[in-house]
Amino acid sequence: DQQVKQNSPSLSVQEGRISILNCDYTNSMFDYFLWYKKYPAEGPTFLISISSIKDKNEDGRFTVFLNKSAKHLSLHIVPSQPGDSAVYFCAASGGGTASKLTFGTGTRLQVTL
Amino acid sequence: GAVVSQHPSWVICKSGTSVKIECRSLDFQATTMFWYRQFPKQSLMLMATSNEGSKATYEQGVEKDKFLINHASLTLSTLTVTSAHPEDSSFYICSATGTGSRYGYTFGSGTRLTVV
Repeated sequence: DQQVKQNSPSLSVQEGRISILNCDYTNSMFDYFLWYKKYPAEGPTFLISISSIKDKNEDGRFTVFLNKSAKHLSLHIVPSQPGDSAVYFCAASGGGTASKLTFGTGTRLQVTL
Repeated sequence: GAVVSQHPSWVICKSGTSVKIECRSLDFQATTMFWYRQFPKQSLMLMATSNEGSKATYEQGVEKDKFLINHASLTLSTLTVTSAHPEDSSFYICSATGTGSRYGYTFGSGTRLTVV
């Protein structure tokens, strides 16, 4: 039972354009969402998070949007840079910061020149 | 701040032997530690959650007698893969949360285990 899904396994975007990565979840108990960037054979690197009391959070080039009614969140990267090429995972938790994270399936982003 | 050091970064072992993976929180107290496993091109799957001083809680389908987790202090948690088999070959990652952990969850750099 995949409670967090990223339906696009891969995405290719030109440098300077916007990258939009999507994530859907099914568990209505999730109240905290995070995005991570990951390279092979490395641990995930935290990018940005959002609480369910908000619908948008912005940090530099990264913006996360949350649509609770649709159980959908998205990560926008503007402008995209070649160094952004990696696998991106969304993750969700419910019940506080000590709660376990449920990860999505990942989206491989490639930013081309 | 909020660094988790995971060792070793990679290990090769023979079938039937045991392997220990360590995760240390360097600048915060890790009250809760999570252990994940990632197979190639797949998501991170939670194996178990451990709170300092308590027995770990294992996810469904994870053998607690095979994957021994110890979280005896606020800065150290270990995962021991006992009687390893080739199908245990995977990428294992720890994550910690606790006092002083800015983003709530801090991940180690992972351990690539290959069982031959």
